[in-house]
Amino acid sequence: EVKLVESGGGLVQPGRSLKLSCAASGFSFNDYWMGWVRQAPGKGLEWIGEINQDSSTINYTPSLKDKFTISRDNAQNTLYLQMSKLGSEDTAIYYCARASYYDGTYYFPGVMDAWGQGASVTVSS
Amino acid sequence: DIVLTQSPALAVSLGQRATISCRASESVRSSMHWYQQKSGQQPKLLIYGASNLASGVPARFSGSGSGTDFTFTIDPVEADDIATYYCQQSRNDPNTFGAGTKLELK
Repeated sequence: EVKLVESGGGLVQPGRSLKLSCAASGFSFNDYWMGWVRQAPGKGLEWIGEINQDSSTINYTPSLKDKFTISRDNAQNTLYLQMSKLGSEDTAIYYCARASYYDGTYYFPGVMDAWGQGASVTVSS
Repeated sequence: DIVLTQSPALAVSLGQRATISCRASESVRSSMHWYQQKSGQQPKLLIYGASNLASGVPARFSGSGSGTDFTFTIDPVEADDIATYYCQQSRNDPNTFGAGTKLELK
């Protein structure tokens, strides 16, 4: 069973940093792109970014590129999201997702076919 | 960035057909995917590559379109389908999501 479990969320003061982790199991982690998506309270989904299998390519949504850093440790089957200079606008549930899909015939980059349950981050003094 | 436009809400009756549209600000070819999100849950992939049904998803869900105009259909709608549906494009970076369409019962 494919499983993604986020951790590291919580209450953080404005201007501080926080690092989320996503532990993957049930699949060959180093064969897949991975990504992060967030959802502010009552709002829609926002794509944060993605990282390829060997960390040689990392893409971000431009507005978050200077604040957020995506990384991975294939030996530990873990994806990370380092967040800095946090503000109230960063209050959200943060989801990690498997971000590439192979249907047996074709490869579909960017398709998020497995998601974690989400980590809640609240930025407040 | 590519902007994806969805209608905010759609009211349907059980057993009827629900059709949700997603329009892209520029062509994404067939790199359009659809997700279902129920209240308090993580999103779930339903359709990938515009028209391909994800594994384990019932055949009453379907998708069509290419370029800039896409359609997602549920036929027939069941009570368990009440959720918000998002389109997502992965043609260009950054990938983007539509704002979501909330499916409601009439």
